[in-house]
Amino acid sequence: NAGVTQTPKFRILKIGQSMTLQCTQDMNHNYMYWYRQDPGMGLKLIYYSVGAGITDKGEVPNGYNVSRSTTEDFPLRLELAAPSQTSVYFCASSPGTNEQFFGPGTRLTVL
Amino acid sequence: AQTVTQSQPEMSVQEAETVTLSCTYDTSESDYYLFWYKQPPSRQMILVIRQEAYKQQNATENRFSVNFQKAAKSFSLKISDSQLGDAAMYFCAYRGPYGGSQGNLIFGKGTKLSVKP
Repeated sequence: NAGVTQTPKFRILKIGQSMTLQCTQDMNHNYMYWYRQDPGMGLKLIYYSVGAGITDKGEVPNGYNVSRSTTEDFPLRLELAAPSQTSVYFCASSPGTNEQFFGPGTRLTVL
Repeated sequence: AQTVTQSQPEMSVQEAETVTLSCTYDTSESDYYLFWYKQPPSRQMILVIRQEAYKQQNATENRFSVNFQKAAKSFSLKISDSQLGDAAMYFCAYRGPYGGSQGNLIFGKGTKLSVKP
């Protein structure tokens, strides 16, 4: 099993550009999550999904969108990138009440 | 709303010694889960240990153990025989008892642990 994979690992965007962060898991987990981690801070939840076709907002959803068309994939879309979205983004998955398994993260810089 | 507080931004320990990282949380639930995650410089989030609130016995994983005080809402991590590879950010996290939004992890701000040779 590859676990949770994320692409790209690094990305620099200009203000106003858009991009999609990819996340795929091969553990057949129903639950998937997107977090952002700002410098010196813990992780904050952006969006989550409890299964294919079902998504919901987390603590900091503004400026982002997600979709969940399959169990495996949970892409995060940034529209009109802003400097405030400079962060490290983590995708995670979980079978339910157990711990979450994290991807390696994507470092995004918006200039 | 649930909150998680880690009051020690940085800690330092001598190699082979023992160190304890503190975590307190706030919740009105009686059943929940608590976690400690380790984040080394590689940024990968690694689960260290997990505690179910309904279990009175403190969880232990090799050199890592917790002191879970439910009434005090305290969940500290003890690292014994510290090794250089233990140097990392450590995050305490809370998870509610149900699915949906209750199942989301709430993280503290982290404690940066340094290990001196």
